[in-house]
Parts: sequence; C-alpha cells; structure tokens
Amino acid sequence: DTGVSQDPRHKITKRGQNVTFRCDPISEHNRLYWYRQTLGQGPEFLTYFQNEAQLEKSRLLSDRFSAERPKGSFSTLEIQRTEQGDSAMYLCASSPQSGGQETQYFGPGTRLLVL
Amino acid sequence: AQSVAQPEDQVNVAEGNPLTVKCTYSVSGNPYLFWYVQYPNRGLQFLLKYITGDNLVKGSYGFEAEFNKSQTSFHLKKPSALVSDSALYFCAVRGRATDKLIFGTGTRLQVFP
Repeated sequence: DTGVSQDPRHKITKRGQNVTFRCDPISEHNRLYWYRQTLGQGPEFLTYFQNEAQLEKSRLLSDRFSAERPKGSFSTLEIQRTEQGDSAMYLCASSPQSGGQETQYFGPGTRLLVL
Repeated sequence: AQSVAQPEDQVNVAEGNPLTVKCTYSVSGNPYLFWYVQYPNRGLQFLLKYITGDNLVKGSYGFEAEFNKSQTSFHLKKPSALVSDSALYFCAVRGRATDKLIFGTGTRLQVFP
C-alpha cells in the first residue's frame, strides 16, 4: 500500500502528558498537511509543509502544538501538556506540489483520547 | 472568509433511488471544490473535484457533482444509491490563494435496503 500512513492509530493518554504522532506521506508528494477533526465536525486545518518548510499555521495550533518535517519526508505532530479538549482525530494528508488544484490524500488518522 | 455549508445533517434514501447531498460555499474568486467520503474510524477518501471547465464532474463509485456558480453550490449526486454508499460525506473548498481545505460539517448518508 502506497497511501498516507499514520502511527499510532489510537492513543490514550492522561491529561498533562506529551504525545507525538507520525505521518508518512505518499512518497512523491512534497506537500504535507495536518488537520484535526472533532466529533460531529469536519476536519479543521492545523498546518502544512512544503518539503521541510512549514508554510502556514492555523491559530488553532497553540504553543503546546509543534509540527516538524525535518527531512522533507515524514512529519511529526507533538502535543505538550495535553488537555481534554485535545481529544480528537488527527488527520494527515499529502499532495504533489500544488498549482492549487492538486488533491490532498488523507491517511487513516490518529484518534487521541485525553483522560 | 471561505466557508462551506452542508445544510443536511443526514440524508436517507432507499437503495436504487437517486441521491443528492447538498453543499454551498463562499469564497473569493473561483473556487476549487472537493467531495470526500469517510467510513467509520477511517480517514477521508477522495471522491471528486471541480477545478475548471465542465460544470458536471464525474468521480469514483458512480458519484458526480454539479458546480453551479450562480447558486454557489456543488451538490453531490448518484443516480442509483447502494447500501454500501452509507457513510459520512464532506464537501470542501479551497480558494486559489491558499492551500488549505475548508470543510463542511458533513452529511451522513443512510441508504436503506
């Protein structure tokens, strides 16, 4: 399977702990996106990378959140000092370099539950 | 500001009947429009997109969507629904000056045998 992969698929943590998620994009895609989806809502944009450069960050991405894509391949999303409100599905997507019309292909997501 | 509205939380249709899932959008300039489907505990699966040209776009699994600029709509359609089409459907818009997708709140499609 050459789609977008995410790890782990599920994470349960206690409030105040740090968590890190990984996303591996489709191999020839140089754009990588992170979205968050809460129950009953559509995905909301968090941030995106072109190669290793982080080009845009949403105001949703508080200072407890950090994303990296150090070698322009896989990406990690870290949440420090988790809060119950961080419970959500975290989705990663990738696309070829965009002329704007490129399709974003999504991974299966990481479901986070903060107790 | 860009936005997407999916006015129906749920659409129910009998198997074999045509289905429509509605989407309206607001964006400056000409939009890129997308439909995705989400099955339980899964990520989003791309169905189709409108970029430019023909207003009727055909996509995966027999789905199609019609872009209507005057009504700022992009409704998803299928001539004959299958029980396996039951899922959560998301419409998304992307302006030409940005790379992020703005999603609607989703419409749950239930197809009854």
